[in-house]
Amino acid sequence: GDSVTQMEGPVTLSEEAFLTINCTYTATGYPSLFWYVQYPGEGLQLLLKATKADDKGSNKGFEATYRKETTSFHLEKGSVQVSDSAVYFCALQGGSEKLVFGKGTKLTVNP
Amino acid sequence: ETGVTQTPRHLVMGMTNKKSLKCEQHLGHNAMYWYKQSAKKPLELMFVYNFKEQTENNSVPSRFSPECPNSSHLFLHLHTLQPEDSALYLCASSQGTDWRRGTQYFGPGTRLTVL
Repeated sequence: GDSVTQMEGPVTLSEEAFLTINCTYTATGYPSLFWYVQYPGEGLQLLLKATKADDKGSNKGFEATYRKETTSFHLEKGSVQVSDSAVYFCALQGGSEKLVFGKGTKLTVNP
Repeated sequence: ETGVTQTPRHLVMGMTNKKSLKCEQHLGHNAMYWYKQSAKKPLELMFVYNFKEQTENNSVPSRFSPECPNSSHLFLHLHTLQPEDSALYLCASSQGTDWRRGTQYFGPGTRLTVL
């Protein structure tokens, strides 16, 4: 079945550091791919999405490119801020039509 | 109110209590979902409703009983829960003729503690 694998956390960075959170997927067909973010004490918020190969999703300085050849959707940000501290979830919606989530990666950004 | 709202935000209940979680979406969506988020586990889809009809029950125990009176409101009725049911319960909604491929928008969740 469909599955998402994202890098184990936690990830701890200093402010203004470069961020990469790896995400790879297994799916039949051509899934849509998502990154959701969960700030402390809150629900999930859609951060960005991409619906076909080579699409780049972007929002709030975060980017992710849908790479079909490597079945990946890595999340990147050039300069993180303390306010980016949260848990990040990679997800796909594919042939099963269900939204399948990775386990989440906790990011802590120190001043 | 905008987006997806959930009440209460926090709930503590005993194993013999009966309580209900409420979700309301203000996005004009047709589909609504209940998810369970436990510590150190991926999000688990519990129930899916499309146009008020339940279309998915992901092997959820009968002590959880969903209700969807209209496309904007979703309830989760809780009865004789177990301590392992303590979790964050998230509601989501989506829109589209192919509703299952619509982007899902989540509420803030209800943090449930079962004593």
